[in-house]
Amino acid sequence: LAKTTQPISMDSYEGQEVNITCSHNNIATNDYITWYQQFPSQGPRFIIQGYKTKVTNEVASLFIPADRKSSTLSLPRVSLSDTAVYYCLVVNSGYSTLTFGKGTMLLVSP
Amino acid sequence: GAVVSQHPSWVICKSGTSVKIECRSLDFQATTMFWYRQFPKQSLMLMATSNEGSKATYEQGVEKDKFLINHASLTLSTLTVTSAHPEDSSFYICSARGEWGGGTEAFFGQGTRLTVV
Repeated sequence: LAKTTQPISMDSYEGQEVNITCSHNNIATNDYITWYQQFPSQGPRFIIQGYKTKVTNEVASLFIPADRKSSTLSLPRVSLSDTAVYYCLVVNSGYSTLTFGKGTMLLVSP
Repeated sequence: GAVVSQHPSWVICKSGTSVKIECRSLDFQATTMFWYRQFPKQSLMLMATSNEGSKATYEQGVEKDKFLINHASLTLSTLTVTSAHPEDSSFYICSARGEWGGGTEAFFGQGTRLTVV
């Protein structure tokens, strides 16, 4: 089971781009990298998932280098409503387990 | 994305009673469901993983006789907290994973706040 390490917290201002990096040195060949967002007293919300290189959707981009030992979630032009905890998970293709690390608390200020 | 509905959103019960929490996948068949509990300012702690029609696999330290999990159909899983005590008060969250139109990632319910008095 690949362990993930993220910064405990990050601060940003509205309109800035935020990059949250996650390290997962023990990632296996059939593992995917998945990011979730969680607001207080709510269940996590899926943001993005990738295997290698770059993945982009309407809310974020995910950059994964060739060695896949880390990944970076990029949030373009954050707003106050992006203040939340962001979790990076390494998930095997069979989804036999889904374990959360400590996450990154992102605080966006005016 | 796919929708996972959890019910109730909050519940208050007396110590010693049992509480059932339901988790439904509304628009896809959930082959695997996960149950978590989360204490304030902490991360989600995986309690158990269940596959439809099979017994749940509990994480180390989670009492299977206290936290009964049933995954009887591809759209419904239930967690029953038996003989609840104040220390069981927590935020319980379910997650479901299966094949839907967009992919195979896991989706989460909105959570259930359990308060045992």
